[in-house]
Amino acid sequence: KAGVTQTPRYLIKTRGQQVTLSCSPISGHRSVSWYQQTPGQGLQFLFEYFSETQRNKGNFPGRFSGRQFSNSRSEMNVSTLELGDSALYLCASARTGSVYGQYFGPGTRLTVT
Amino acid sequence: QKEVEQDPGPLSVPEGAIVSLNCTYSNSAFQYFMWYRQYSRKGPELLMYTYSSGNKEDGRFTAQVDKSSKYISLFIRDSQPSDSATYLCAMTDADNYGQNFVFGPGTRLSVLP
Repeated sequence: KAGVTQTPRYLIKTRGQQVTLSCSPISGHRSVSWYQQTPGQGLQFLFEYFSETQRNKGNFPGRFSGRQFSNSRSEMNVSTLELGDSALYLCASARTGSVYGQYFGPGTRLTVT
Repeated sequence: QKEVEQDPGPLSVPEGAIVSLNCTYSNSAFQYFMWYRQYSRKGPELLMYTYSSGNKEDGRFTAQVDKSSKYISLFIRDSQPSDSATYLCAMTDADNYGQNFVFGPGTRLSVLP
């Protein structure tokens, strides 16, 4: 069974640009959640989608947004990039909406210059 | 004060040792507790989860939650070099991710052969 896949794996952007990251969940999983991991702030929860609806959201500015498609694939968008947005962005999928059942992908390393 | 504090590490132990990893938290609404293991350049993987107070054992791993002290622990018995990783505690107020899903900063563990 294929795991969670994230594309691209590495990305370099310039301050002020916007970026879209993609996450393909494990087949049959309906929940996708997104996280930001930095050395300073650690792993932080961004938001979670279940059956195309955003159910929960962490404490991030509105520049961070996401969506989920009918096939459960999800995208995360960051607008007006700042240097502090440089991070590893992880997504995780779960069959149900339980936080216990999530499997993480390998992440997308975003560098903002 | 951060919402979740974790023993900073890094922690280095000989193979076969018993390892104790600990987190403290401040939000009494947390009911769902998790431990994740993250190998270098990989996404986290869920090791153990518990609901409310009590102990849970799975092979060489034991998770303990003391809600009265706002303290959770993960014990690893007969530690192996393959246990070398960063361990993250996580907690939330609901099993569907909730309104406040937070992670500790992580403890890096090295098990020396």
